[in-house]
Amino acid sequence: QVQLQESGPGLVNPSETLSLTCAVSAYSISSGYYWGWIRQPPGKGLEWIGSIYHSGNTYFNPSLKSRVTISVDTSENQFSLKLTSVTAADTAVYYCARYVLGVAIAADYWGRGTLVTVSS
Amino acid sequence: QSVLTQPPSVSAAPRQKVTISCSGSSSNIGINSVSWYQQLPGTAPKLLIYDNNKRPSGIPDRFSGSTSGTSATLGITGLQTGDEADYYCGTWDNSLSTGGVFGGGTKLTVL
Repeated sequence: QVQLQESGPGLVNPSETLSLTCAVSAYSISSGYYWGWIRQPPGKGLEWIGSIYHSGNTYFNPSLKSRVTISVDTSENQFSLKLTSVTAADTAVYYCARYVLGVAIAADYWGRGTLVTVSS
Repeated sequence: QSVLTQPPSVSAAPRQKVTISCSGSSSNIGINSVSWYQQLPGTAPKLLIYDNNKRPSGIPDRFSGSTSGTSATLGITGLQTGDEADYYCGTWDNSLSTGGVFGGGTKLTVL
């Protein structure tokens, strides 16, 4: 059973950088599929942030593109998210997921999610 | 404002059938396949339907998906109280703002 687990600080100061890592188990990232980050502000809907392939090829949400970096470490079988210059609007539960179809069409495995609060 | 439009809420009685619509455009649903997710309170979304009408292993055939033009529909038959959840549609958009897109979500209440 493929498992994904997000990790990182739960509290980030405004204007600083949010950094999260998604560890994947029971499946090698190098074997294929796109791997993505999705977020959900409290009480709101889902927002796709971006996706990465094991080769490093990336796609980003145009509204976040200027602030987002997604990288992959195949040796550690994990991928990471960095979001710069955060504000309170970036407070959300952040999920990592495996896309079984396309870059960001159908995600079949998800992490449990991690709440990141932006506040001083 | 979501790229894909879903009704905020739907409701039906146990054992009845309900449908949830997802309206898009020629740059997303019109040319790309659609997926549907179920999100129970406090949990991560779960894939119910992918590639418009396919069910992942373990998803009961009470759940079905269809598309027509620039719209998609999720159908749920034999409603159970455990089906109370938020449901999201998702796909890829090929417009100037290319990327993954979701509907705003629909809250299903089983009366």
